Amino acid sequence: LAKTTQPISMDSYEGQEVNITCSHNNIATNDYITWYQQFPSQGPRFIIQGYKTKVTNEVASLFIPADRKSSTLSLPRVSLSDTAVYYCLVVNSGNTPLVFGKGTRLSVIA
Amino acid sequence: GAGVSQSPSNKVTEKGKDVELRCDPISGHTALYWYRQSLGQGLEFLIYFQGNSAPDKSGLPSDRFSAERTGGSVSTLTIQRTQQEDSAVYLCASSLVQLLRNEQYFGPGTRLTVT
Repeated sequence: LAKTTQPISMDSYEGQEVNITCSHNNIATNDYITWYQQFPSQGPRFIIQGYKTKVTNEVASLFIPADRKSSTLSLPRVSLSDTAVYYCLVVNSGNTPLVFGKGTRLSVIA
Repeated sequence: GAGVSQSPSNKVTEKGKDVELRCDPISGHTALYWYRQSLGQGLEFLIYFQGNSAPDKSGLPSDRFSAERTGGSVSTLTIQRTQQEDSAVYLCASSLVQLLRNEQYFGPGTRLTVT
């Protein structure tokens, strides 16, 4: 599976938009880009997945350029409760074990 | 509905003892995974069960680790002769068989401390 690279940490003030970029230069044709969120003392939680262009749900937006070698998770108007670790993963279709990196630790400041 | 549950939530054991960690997946989910997370690290895959197929054990770090899944539901991860480096949070996840998305639902984890 393609390896991903993302910033180790980010800080943001409440109410701001946060963009976390992930690079996955070796992504394969049948791979999808997936983001998970993990709060302290909890297991990760799926937040969004995409293949190309833009995907939006009630939590976030995911922007994927045409070459798919990177992606950007966008969190609109973050609040203190968005403080968490965000993992970018590249996954195949089907049920296979997920490969997690160290993620991006987002700290939201009042 | 109920999510993935794990027990115990915390386990402290002495070096050399055996421990058993339990996972109850979401009802109807055919795939079950075990991961572990050391302090400040990402998740490390351990073992994967899919239906009645032979489990994928490629992530188990040593032969002291084993897991079983009875009746396609509950799973138990066993660590024999625990070592201090086994201290970590052990996470279980389950998912439906889906061609896309591969969305895994994680339990809260069991925090294992080996003294």
